[in-house]
Amino acid sequence: NAGVTQTPKFRILKIGQSMTLQCAQDMNHNYMYWYRQDPGMGLKLIYYSVGAGITDKGEVPNGYNVSRSTTEDFPLRLELAAPSQTSVYFCASSPIIGGLNTEAFFGQGTRLTVV
Amino acid sequence: AQTVTQSQPEMSVQEAETVTLSCTYDTSENNYYLFWYKQPPSRQMILVIRQEAYKQQNATENRFSVNFQKAAKSFSLKISDSQLGDTAMYFCAFMKVAGANSKLTFGKGITLSVRP
Repeated sequence: NAGVTQTPKFRILKIGQSMTLQCAQDMNHNYMYWYRQDPGMGLKLIYYSVGAGITDKGEVPNGYNVSRSTTEDFPLRLELAAPSQTSVYFCASSPIIGGLNTEAFFGQGTRLTVV
Repeated sequence: AQTVTQSQPEMSVQEAETVTLSCTYDTSENNYYLFWYKQPPSRQMILVIRQEAYKQQNATENRFSVNFQKAAKSFSLKISDSQLGDTAMYFCAFMKVAGANSKLTFGKGITLSVRP
């Protein structure tokens, strides 16, 4: 089982450039999330989705956009990259909340540096 | 909104000894999940243990156990017989059950070092 797959693993962007971080899960999970983790800090929620066609903002959505056209995919778009967006980005997914096996499954992260 | 607080930024423990990591949270919800995740230097997020709020019995997973105090909104993790491989960052997390706002909220984490 692939689980949650993020691409790329590493990326260097120049200020003002744009890019899309890809996230795919093969577990048929309804919920998907994007987090960022700054050095020595916890994870902050950027955007999340409770199903295809539905997205909502988290704590730190500015400078990012998402879409959820399918259950499997949840790409994160960075427009006009800024040094403040230098971070490690994690995608996660979880099944419908409330089941016996409720937990979030994480991708391996994308380390993004904006210079 | 839910908040999760981990007030200890770092802890250190001797190999084979026991250590307890603290976590408190704030919520008005009655039905929710609490988690401890481990993040080793590889960066991978690994679920250590899960607790359902409606269960009074504390969850255990091998050397890992929790002390869940619902009224006090406290959720500490005890690691027994600490091993060098336990060295990692540990995050406490909260997820409410129900509705469109069921998102996972993390604390800032604690860095645990196990000394040989």
